[in-house]
Amino acid sequence: AQTVTQSQPEMSVQEAETVTLSCTYDTSESDYYLFWYKQPPSRQMILVIRQEAYKQQNATENRFSVNFQKAAKSFSLKISDSQLGDAAMYFCAYTGQGAQKLVFGQGTRLTINP
Amino acid sequence: GAVVSQHPSWVICKSGTSVKIECRSLDFQATTMFWYRQFPKQSLMLMATSNEGSKATYEQGVEKDKFLINHASLTLSTLTVTSAHPEDSSFYICSANSRRNSPLHFGNGTRLTVT
Repeated sequence: AQTVTQSQPEMSVQEAETVTLSCTYDTSESDYYLFWYKQPPSRQMILVIRQEAYKQQNATENRFSVNFQKAAKSFSLKISDSQLGDAAMYFCAYTGQGAQKLVFGQGTRLTINP
Repeated sequence: GAVVSQHPSWVICKSGTSVKIECRSLDFQATTMFWYRQFPKQSLMLMATSNEGSKATYEQGVEKDKFLINHASLTLSTLTVTSAHPEDSSFYICSANSRRNSPLHFGNGTRLTVT
């Protein structure tokens, strides 16, 4: 079975600085998708970024980028120029090719210090 | 963009009663929807996969007779918590996607409190 591990329960960063959230996963599949979701206090799940495993290029969405290391099964999220609105729980998630159902990591609570 | 609507957003019920939660895809058809449960300060755990026109597929450890899922149309899946107990109090959230391998869209979730 696939597993997703986030080893940092909590992280904090000064506003405007850069922070990296870690995620590792385990799978025997070759084709899959990885995601980072943000869950603010409203508990709405917000897609931050998505990476297809067959793509070597790391995904980027404005201030958010990933470091995808397929051989190491690592998928970290870098947030640049952190803003107060970035404070939330961040979940790393995995889904197999066409499987659609997500396996989530334990989550990392990110605090932004003004 | 694709939207998933979940209702109600919160509900309080007495122990022993049943509660129905609806998940609708507003602008797309979803042959498959997913139901997750999230306990406080924990991650989302998949409960079941809801399949339009057929029986739901439950994850290991989830009681299918307690958590009844009905996916009667391409835009609606319902989760009924039967004979609810305080330990069923949790945040329930559904998701769906508009096409295979497209990003999943989440409902806003339902906070269930059983007294």
